[in-house]
Amino acid sequence: GAVVSQHPSWVICKSGTSVKIECRSLDFQATTMFWYRQFPKQSLMLMATSNEGSKATYEQGVEKDKFLINHASLTLSTLTVTSAHPEDSSFYICSARRPTGNYEQYFGPGTRLTVT
Amino acid sequence: GESVGLHLPTLSVQEGDNSIINCAYSNSASDYFIWYKQESGKGPQFIIDIRSNMDKRQGQRVTVLLNKTVKHLSLQIAATQPGDSAVYFCAENRSGGYNKLIFGAGTRLAVHP
Repeated sequence: GAVVSQHPSWVICKSGTSVKIECRSLDFQATTMFWYRQFPKQSLMLMATSNEGSKATYEQGVEKDKFLINHASLTLSTLTVTSAHPEDSSFYICSARRPTGNYEQYFGPGTRLTVT
Repeated sequence: GESVGLHLPTLSVQEGDNSIINCAYSNSASDYFIWYKQESGKGPQFIIDIRSNMDKRQGQRVTVLLNKTVKHLSLQIAATQPGDSAVYFCAENRSGGYNKLIFGAGTRLAVHP
């Protein structure tokens, strides 16, 4: 299967600071990437759909000014959590989808964010 | 964000037994379904998929059944092994727009020797 990486794998930051998480598709060009958030013992919740060269589409209830998404190239999407608070502590997972073929998404390993 | 349910039921099985994990999906217009396996602290791993024009698909030790009438999906794992212990999620593809995946609540599979 395709390889998607995330960086960092874990990060601890202080309340009020911003954190950037990178998602890269390593062996294919992804016109569409997705960002999910997962709290402990819960399912993945889609936050936003990231499209190369255009604005991200956010799910209902997700603050676009707090979770900034930039899909600058066909292999890189970034999620910036601005003015992080302890309630933003979560597991953030990205996925990438090939521009052709089926709808399968290839998932990254996730980033554990802890806000103190 | 959208998700289905906030509970994580557990299925406990003996090593060597067959496991059946069930999932109810919500949108009758969903056209593609995927089962994912997620181990602790890792991203979801693709197991098997099925399109809405099929009712059964088999892989290596796994079978997915789709019942569109009652919007039900199941994952069958044959001869369950300790390495199968993980959380399993079904996901439905909502067509239209960017074809986003909506994940089910998940089931924890615990395999006992």
